[in-house]
This record gives sequence, structure tokens and C-alpha cells, in this order.
Amino acid sequence: QSVLTQPPSVSGAPGQRVTISCTGSSFNIGATYDVHWYQQLPGTAPKLLIYGNSNRPSGVPDRFSGSKSGTSASLAITGLQAEDEADYYCQSYDSSLSGWVFGGGTKLTVL
Amino acid sequence: QVQLQESGPGLVKPSETLSLTCTVSGGSISGYYWSWIRQPPGKALEWIGCIYHSGSTIYNPSLKSRVTTSVDTSKNQFSLKLTSVTAADTAMYFCARGIRRSTYYYYFDYWGQGTLVTVSS
Repeated sequence: QSVLTQPPSVSGAPGQRVTISCTGSSFNIGATYDVHWYQQLPGTAPKLLIYGNSNRPSGVPDRFSGSKSGTSASLAITGLQAEDEADYYCQSYDSSLSGWVFGGGTKLTVL
Repeated sequence: QVQLQESGPGLVKPSETLSLTCTVSGGSISGYYWSWIRQPPGKALEWIGCIYHSGSTIYNPSLKSRVTTSVDTSKNQFSLKLTSVTAADTAMYFCARGIRRSTYYYYFDYWGQGTLVTVSS
């Protein structure tokens, strides 16, 4: 059970917009620690998608965006494509655990 | 383009020590924090620990008593040792390059493909 809670699954049709939430507490996201997001395609290593709450690395399409407010963060994907079907993980620092933690992951299904 | 490649035994017996090495190519090991992250089958990611090129380390407190990491800058490699393994340590083990911009601001920008380690007799 991770201290960063993500919905186990979300789904959307091609072209639609979906959001994935990452809910924490005053020990992590609420303590202003930054949130980072990763995409893990089936059978592959995770790939950095968003860093520092809302920054995209070079090469990541602007269809992906991140935000943070209070004790939660969100990843939004617009113009959903079949190739976006993957697992998505948020990551932050947790002061109660004294280390970096990942969310439980969210499986995105493109209908 | 930075590339990372894990290597080591895919099968370890219970109570023994898991040893993995990550070889970095396409870039220097200096100036970065290098991490180990694992993922049990069908489960979420878990950060194990990291090591700076100077040798300073930070470990996940839940694994700290069993983890040791080391770095060999001459070979552009860093390594992981996890002692007293059990079936619960069966996982895909990834090595990753970390960007640490402050004490708590740390993310992973390059990952190895991962290596599956099974703990079984």
C-alpha cells in the first residue's frame, strides 16, 4: 500500500482527455515536495514523462501535462492515442518514510 | 544518448545475497545520483537506494539493513548487493540515473531495461 494513492485503472476513447490523480498527505505532496510522472509501456522500463510537477522532458508530446494542488497531483492526457495505453506512476519524497516513493500505478486503457 | 544495462544472476537462493551491476554508456557516471528500483511481478515500483559518483549513499529505510551499493567510476559502473533475500525480493530490478536538484527533488531520467531476479531454491 503506497502512501501515494492512484486509481488502479482509467480508460478513455481515442481523442478524449483523461486525468490520473495521485493523492498524498502532508508528509509528501502536501509538504510541497515535487511530483514526477512515469509511463511504463507493457514489458518495458518506465520512461520519465513529467518532472517537477509540470515540466516535460524533451521529446514528450505536449498532450501530456502535470499539475499539483494541495496534497494531490494530476496527470492529464489529451487527444488520447492507442499508443498511450500503459501504466502510469507518480513519484515524490515522503518525510515519514525518509525516502522517495512511487504511487501504486494506474493502468490506462484506450477503448 | 545515455544507456544503462543491468547484469547479474537471474536466480538467487533464499538467504543468499543478490548482486547486480549496472553499466553506464554514452555518458559519464560523474555528477549524478544512480539508483536501484525494483518492481515485483504485477506490482508497483519501489525505490531501493542511490549512490553518488563520490560514493555517498541514501537507502530506503525499509531495506537499509540489507542493502549496499558501490560505484566504480573507472568502469562507469555501479552495483547493488541485497543480503538475506527471500521470495519477497523476487522482482524486476532496474537501474536508473537520477537528477537531484535539491535535498528532496529527485527524479529518474534514464532507466535500464531491467533484469528479473527470482529468489528460489
